[in-house]
Amino acid sequence: KNEVEQSPQNLTAQEGEFITINCSYSVGISALHWLQQHPGGGIVSLFMLSSGKKKHGRLIATINIQEKHSSLHITASHPRDSAVYICAVGGGSEKLVFGKGTKLTVNP
Amino acid sequence: DAMVIQNPRYQVTQFGKPVTLSCSQTLNHNVMYWYQQKSSQAPKLLFHYYDKDFNNEADTPDNFQSRRPNTSFCFLDIRSPGLGDAAMYLCATSRDRVGGARNYGYTFGSGTRLTVV
Repeated sequence: KNEVEQSPQNLTAQEGEFITINCSYSVGISALHWLQQHPGGGIVSLFMLSSGKKKHGRLIATINIQEKHSSLHITASHPRDSAVYICAVGGGSEKLVFGKGTKLTVNP
Repeated sequence: DAMVIQNPRYQVTQFGKPVTLSCSQTLNHNVMYWYQQKSSQAPKLLFHYYDKDFNNEADTPDNFQSRRPNTSFCFLDIRSPGLGDAAMYLCATSRDRVGGARNYGYTFGSGTRLTVV
């Protein structure tokens, strides 16, 4: 079974700061997902990665398949980015394995 | 816009009274999933449908059932809700199963927050 570890568990930043959230997993995968969940809300899929790097607006996601590691970066963070960010991996089956999430708070 | 819609957004039900949660999708995806997420925990897969093929997780209680009458709709039925079933229930879809050289993204609904009183 794949183990997914995220760090940090909690992160507080000031508006404008550059944010990095890390995810590592134990077993080779075919895809890694970064998800966003606002308090009391549903989940929004931010990225699906199988290699390299993807960028969407102020969000950048990278993955290193050899090292089994991915990072999510937020540039010029804003209070509306405050949410839980979840890393999930799926590999050869229908089931996603989720990390425990990183709670991000961006203060104005 | 193509999307996954869950109704209702909030549901309050009485202890032991059957309740049904609804999920619909306009994406024409083959796979639909139901997840249960309790406070501060990761989502837990209850079951999924691959087209009409139902796949139950081994540890999903018998109290939870699902129906998929057509491609667009999937229902979660809780036959006798207990206090421990209070949670956020998330529906997700995927065009096909993840695996091999083909990677398909997931689209999640906004969830239904179930309260049991």
